[in-house]
Amino acid sequence: GAGVSQTPSNKVTEKGKYVELRCDPISGHTALYWYRQSLGQGPEFLIYFQGTGAADDSGLPNDRFFAVRPEGSVSTLKIQRTERGDSAVYLCASSLTPHFAASDTQYFGPGTRLTVL
Amino acid sequence: GENVEQHPSTLSVQEGDSAVIKCTYSDSASNYFPWYKQELGKRPQLIIDIRSNVGEKKDQRIAVTLNKTAKHFSLHITETQPEDSAVYFCAASRPGYALNFGKGTSLLVTP
Repeated sequence: GAGVSQTPSNKVTEKGKYVELRCDPISGHTALYWYRQSLGQGPEFLIYFQGTGAADDSGLPNDRFFAVRPEGSVSTLKIQRTERGDSAVYLCASSLTPHFAASDTQYFGPGTRLTVL
Repeated sequence: GENVEQHPSTLSVQEGDSAVIKCTYSDSASNYFPWYKQELGKRPQLIIDIRSNVGEKKDQRIAVTLNKTAKHFSLHITETQPEDSAVYFCAASRPGYALNFGKGTSLLVTP
């Protein structure tokens, strides 16, 4: 079946601009995660959705970052007033049904490479 | 919060030899420990995972061991092949939370 997809695959923007990154999770997966990966580093957690609500947004670096998942499927990560330090690969992952008794496998999308000039 | 340390950062082995990557974690509530393989420019792919109710899991040439008391877990790859060359990430999470990743190990298998 179809895996996690992300669009665009690459995004180049100028400092100060607004960008939106999209994630389509695996159909039926209720949990969706956003991570950011800088060169030579492991993925760094940003925000986690369970259904439509943000269950944990403690990884968002500041209030320029915001994410939504209005219908519990597709999610959009929004970055305002982009800075050069925001340049990274933004990864999305989904899992079936994490609950407080177990953790489920997270499947990653191909990522969006964001470059802020 | 959880802190995951991974060693070594780079590892070079001859084809056919074994490779071992080690990780430690800090949060005793963590109970899920996956390993991901990431090739250059590609997405992380799960290769094996282990939960805290078992001490070892094996899948063909890949095995993972977990020591909950010491809070460390390891990835073992036997009979390495050039196609095993990639960056490997360990991670840990507690139930219902996101993954905390290590910084990765760049594995190079030379023919």
